[in-house]
Order: sequence, then C-alpha cells, then structure tokens
Amino acid sequence: DADVTQTPRNRITKTGKRIMLECSQTKGHDRMYWYRQDPGLGLRLIYYSFDVKDINKGEISDGYSVSRQAQAKFSLSLESAIPNQTALYFCATSETGTPGDNEQFFGPGTRLTVL
Amino acid sequence: SQQGEEDPQALSIQEGENATMNCSYKTSINNLQWYRQNSGRGLVHLILIRSNEREKHSGRLRVTLDTSKKSSSLLITASRAADTASYFCATDESSYKLIFGSGTRLLVRP
Repeated sequence: DADVTQTPRNRITKTGKRIMLECSQTKGHDRMYWYRQDPGLGLRLIYYSFDVKDINKGEISDGYSVSRQAQAKFSLSLESAIPNQTALYFCATSETGTPGDNEQFFGPGTRLTVL
Repeated sequence: SQQGEEDPQALSIQEGENATMNCSYKTSINNLQWYRQNSGRGLVHLILIRSNEREKHSGRLRVTLDTSKKSSSLLITASRAADTASYFCATDESSYKLIFGSGTRLLVRP
C-alpha cells in the first residue's frame, strides 16, 4: 500500500549493530503497529501505538524498542542486532474506530538480515 | 501465541476450481479478518466479518463465521492463477490488536 512506506526495504547488518527501521504513513491513522514475519509463519506483533504518546509492548518486544515521533511516523530499533532477528518486518496502520471495524493497512516490508 | 490457526497449511488447485481455507481460534472475538500476502510483500486486507455476522461476500470471496465452533472459512470461487498467495486469518479480541494465524499457502495451477 503506497500510503504506508517503510525504509529501508532491505538491510544486511552484523551482530551487535544498532539498526533503525522507519515507517511513515499518509493515511492519517492514529494507530500504528510493528510486526515481524519469519519464513512460513504468520505475523507476530512487536509493538503498537494508538497515539503519539502511547507505546505498548506486543507479543515479542524483547530486543526491540520503538519511537512514535509524530502521528505519521513510527520507528523500530534493534539496539544490538542478533542473528535470530533476521526476518521480514512490517509496519501497519489502522483507524481509531468503533469496535468491530479495524482493518489494518500494511507497508511493503523491510527484509533484515543479521549476520 | 497464535490465536488463529489456518487449515490446510498448503493447498494446490487447478484454475477454475474453488479454494476453501479454514481458520480456528481460541477466545471470543470482535471480528475476524482475512488478509492476502503475495510472496515477500505486505498483507492486503480482503474481508472483515463481525462477531454477530454469519456470512459475508465480496466478489469471488465468501467468508463464514461460526462463533460457537470458533471457526471461519474463506471460499474463493472460480480461482485464477493470480490468486496464488498466502492467506491469513486475523482475530480482533478486545483491544484492537490483531492476532494472525500462520497462513494457508494457495497455489493455483494454470
């Protein structure tokens, strides 16, 4: 979805390096999410944010941190990358709406390889 | 942990045939959603069915939801080669987070 962009699209790094993945959206949504996907598996939630000053841990937050710099920007950091963080990372957004209607819009993904 | 679990994990059919994928989940939900992912790309929302709905249609897609059995099915009719992708169900429990299943890989042979 062109309304949700991620940079970089691909990154190869070494163990111990600090990495930041960035997500920007033009959809005007309040809610933003970071997921990781491992081969053959579904998505697992790392962190999510329902507003600029709201940060929540997801299912697998250890080893990651996030920053919600503005409504449109949500960054994911790996403070000290390790090989098992090699995965495909997705950012997603959704509107603040009534319960029962929270479709998410995904970015194209960042493929991260940690050597 | 995964909330939704899809079945089968992989499905191979001939173009023109129907494809049926199933999803089971564990807890009560507000809604259940189906997403599609082409290889290595972001997920695209297909359809959402609320907990008080039993069936929903969108083009060639038909989704059913049985809350008593905690299960849902996605039917793609008259499949095309372009339908080849992975399909994920995702459940919304109560906090507007989605919990994704592990997906069904669909291959439609021309």
